[in-house]
Amino acid sequence: DIQMTQSPSSLSASVGDRVTVTCQASQDITNYLNWFQQKPGNAPKLLIYDASNLETGVPSRFSGRGSGTDFTFTIDNLQPEDFATYYCQQYYSFPPAFGPGTRVDLK
Amino acid sequence: QVQLVESGGGVVQPGRSLRLSCAASGFTFSSYAIHWVRQAPGKGLEWVAVIRFDGSDKHYTDSVKGRVTISRDNSKNTVFLQLDTLRAEDTAVYYCVKSKKSAGLGLDYWGRGTLVTVSS
Repeated sequence: DIQMTQSPSSLSASVGDRVTVTCQASQDITNYLNWFQQKPGNAPKLLIYDASNLETGVPSRFSGRGSGTDFTFTIDNLQPEDFATYYCQQYYSFPPAFGPGTRVDLK
Repeated sequence: QVQLVESGGGVVQPGRSLRLSCAASGFTFSSYAIHWVRQAPGKGLEWVAVIRFDGSDKHYTDSVKGRVTISRDNSKNTVFLQLDTLRAEDTAVYYCVKSKKSAGLGLDYWGRGTLVTVSS
């Protein structure tokens, strides 16, 4: 099974900051990677698919890049509504697996 | 718009069974694989199972194999998750999730989830 790791596990940031989260796969997953946002009490929401493609309706301040085993997710100009937990998910092979999450909270 | 509405959760004793349902609308249901993903209280996301668009193929995570069965009724736009021999560690919010493409393991739209609590 492919294992996913994320770092950091949590971070504190201010409105307007640039935030970067990294995700690493235990083996090559090409670009089969999603990024999800989850706010407390809500279901996850897809932000980025195929490692770098912005889901329809998602603000352009969100971006993703990477391929193979190493990926990054960036939020430019962090907004109040962006404080949430972010998960990466590989869908290269069974079982599809999530990273442990990165919580972004207010500094 | 895409909607997925889960139901059937509740409090159940260890060893008992529960059947979850997911009613879908807003897309061509019979063309997409559907997944179940769960989240234990305060924990991360765990993929549980997937069923192919036509029901001909199913996969499960190891921790539920032999205890969980996924099925679908394309005439009713509904997916089911039968949970048997429930354990305390099955306590979680169970989400129904649409696949982004007709085949493949990428996820996109999620339901709001239904809470399963296994407790004596």
